[in-house]
Amino acid sequence: SQTIHQWPATLVQPVGSPLSLECTVEGTSNPNLYWYRQAAGRGLQLLFYSVGIGQISSEVPQNLSASRPQDRQFILSSKKLLLSDSGFYLCARYSRTGSEAFFGQGTRLTVV
Amino acid sequence: TQLLEQSPQFLSIQEGENLTVYCNSSSVFSSLQWYRQEPGEGPVLLVTVVTGGEVKKLKRLTFQFGDARKDSSLHITAAQPGDTGLYLCAGGLSSGSARQLTFGSGTQLTVLP
Repeated sequence: SQTIHQWPATLVQPVGSPLSLECTVEGTSNPNLYWYRQAAGRGLQLLFYSVGIGQISSEVPQNLSASRPQDRQFILSSKKLLLSDSGFYLCARYSRTGSEAFFGQGTRLTVV
Repeated sequence: TQLLEQSPQFLSIQEGENLTVYCNSSSVFSSLQWYRQEPGEGPVLLVTVVTGGEVKKLKRLTFQFGDARKDSSLHITAAQPGDTGLYLCAGGLSSGSARQLTFGSGTQLTVLP
């Protein structure tokens, strides 16, 4: 089976601190991977996507960056967090046809 | 930019009632999915519809894709507290771009016992 792991599940960080959220995928090779952010009870904002190692596309210019050092690893980072970076971060992969998304459990980030 | 609008934004009903939520767009999609998300978890795929006019049933849930493939509805019969959650629709394009899914803003459903 194909599984998406995200960690940590929750994170409380002070303003100005760095961030690193990790996503790993099992059971598939060369997946298209995505980072989304979700405000409470609302839809998903696409932040970054990657079609392969070292390939990152940014959808929204902001305080965050992403990297894909390995085929099944996708990392979301920030050098200095802002209060507005608080939210629920979701990693996802798409099906081979690109018509369906499968999500990890998410990371709740609170910047204080 | 393709936009998907969901309505209503919030819905609170009593157990046993029926309900319908809607997902509308001015864009044509090659496929449309519905997801349910519970607090603190990622969305889980419920169904994918790909043909205009298609109707799919999943137990008490009925999903319909509009004839023009611009809209969809989700109907729940005899809602139960376990149906509570955020329902998201997402539209897929056939452009071949890796960025292929557009998500709606969601409908927060609460079913009261």
